[in-house]
Amino acid sequence: DSGVTQTPKHLITATGQRVTLRCSPRSGDLSVYWYQQSLDQGLQFLIQYYNGEERAKGNILERFSAQQFPDLHSELNLSSLELGDSALYFCASSVGPGGSGEQYFGPGTRLTVT
Amino acid sequence: GQQVMQIPQYQHVQEGEDFTTYCNSSTTLSNIQWYKQRPGGHPVFLIQLVKSGEVKKQKRLTFQFGEAKKNSSLHITATQTTDVGTYFCAAWGSSGGSNYKLTFGKGTLLTVNP
Repeated sequence: DSGVTQTPKHLITATGQRVTLRCSPRSGDLSVYWYQQSLDQGLQFLIQYYNGEERAKGNILERFSAQQFPDLHSELNLSSLELGDSALYFCASSVGPGGSGEQYFGPGTRLTVT
Repeated sequence: GQQVMQIPQYQHVQEGEDFTTYCNSSTTLSNIQWYKQRPGGHPVFLIQLVKSGEVKKQKRLTFQFGEAKKNSSLHITATQTTDVGTYFCAAWGSSGGSNYKLTFGKGTLLTVNP
């Protein structure tokens, strides 16, 4: 158990819908990272928040947005969902702002868009 | 942006055989990390290498960072069925300014025949 929690574990929804994925980092970690994992694209970095502020951005679509709240939990919002958005979404956390050091991954949320 | 190429994509071995996965970058890396993801699981941090030519061992696993800090390898001696999973290398790179993002290789899926 990494100490990072993610809800829900599974999510099935229809195209065009909007969903919210939730992540709670390990106690004491200030950074939260979001990743998308699909069979063809591997593990893709989406976005990072550090102590409530957006820190780094990866290949995140405009239909996707995220935020980190004062209690440091984070939410990833996915809207206007397409079939291609079906994937495993991981949240990870770390103590520092990035550049070095390990990340602790949560169990993931499996999103299926039908 | 920064890319890390990982080979092979798949490797099937008999239990007791050795296994090696390689990671290459066209740019000099500040550090490199290795993660393992068991089937159905989440990535778990194994190690971080920072120094040129660094070699680290964890029981049957040997990690190397190249002299030019552009490549790395993970070698497993005498594989066991518990070694099954996907092994990822990952490198921190600039995301703009003082911000960084962790870029993952596509991973090597190791299967072990008992």
